[in-house]
Amino acid sequence: NAGVTQTPKFQVLKTGQSMTLQCAQDMNHNSMYWYRQDPGMGLRLIYYSASEGTTDKGEVPNGYNVSRLNKREFSLRLESAAPSQTSVYFCASSPVGGGSGNTIYFGEGSWLTVV
Amino acid sequence: QKEVEQDPGPLSVPEGAIVSLNCTYSNSAFQYFMWYRQYSRKGPELLMYTYSSGNKEDGRFTAQVDKSSKYISLFIRDSQPSDSATYLCAGAGGTSYGKLTFGQGTILTVHP
Repeated sequence: NAGVTQTPKFQVLKTGQSMTLQCAQDMNHNSMYWYRQDPGMGLRLIYYSASEGTTDKGEVPNGYNVSRLNKREFSLRLESAAPSQTSVYFCASSPVGGGSGNTIYFGEGSWLTVV
Repeated sequence: QKEVEQDPGPLSVPEGAIVSLNCTYSNSAFQYFMWYRQYSRKGPELLMYTYSSGNKEDGRFTAQVDKSSKYISLFIRDSQPSDSATYLCAGAGGTSYGKLTFGQGTILTVHP
């Protein structure tokens, strides 16, 4: 029962470096998401993919790009990392749009520090 | 102002207490409301889901939505140390269909 798997779990980056967070789900879900979680701010949506081939900006998309590689995989790229992007990143998936009441399943999180 | 506001706590209660967790929201289009539980260093997991106004009960947990006052509540009866976690409320619907908006989360500790 892998569910949603994201890598890496921990990463330290220098300001200006780039990196990609990988995410894969094995539940045949249509929708996938990237959230970031910061103290006092809760979970904020970065990008969302309703289905394979589509992506949509969330609440905090600046500084990020995403790729829905296929139905299983949804990656998040930081092109030029900034200290403000230090956060815990969660990938998630749901059968269809999570707002319809379908359960959104989260991965274990990726802890990213930008120095 | 955030669309979903939640008191971050922390909240500390003795084992067996009734816990009340609350959120307010401002988006009138929200129709779906969820409570997620998040243990330390883990991803959130869905605890309760309600549609529109009303109550929903699942074991020791009761979720309540009052759309007239834009108020969301989660009650935990006979709280246990294993309930110690961060509880996140979320809403969705209308133009945000397909995307959840979360509150800040409330840190709950149930001590033996």
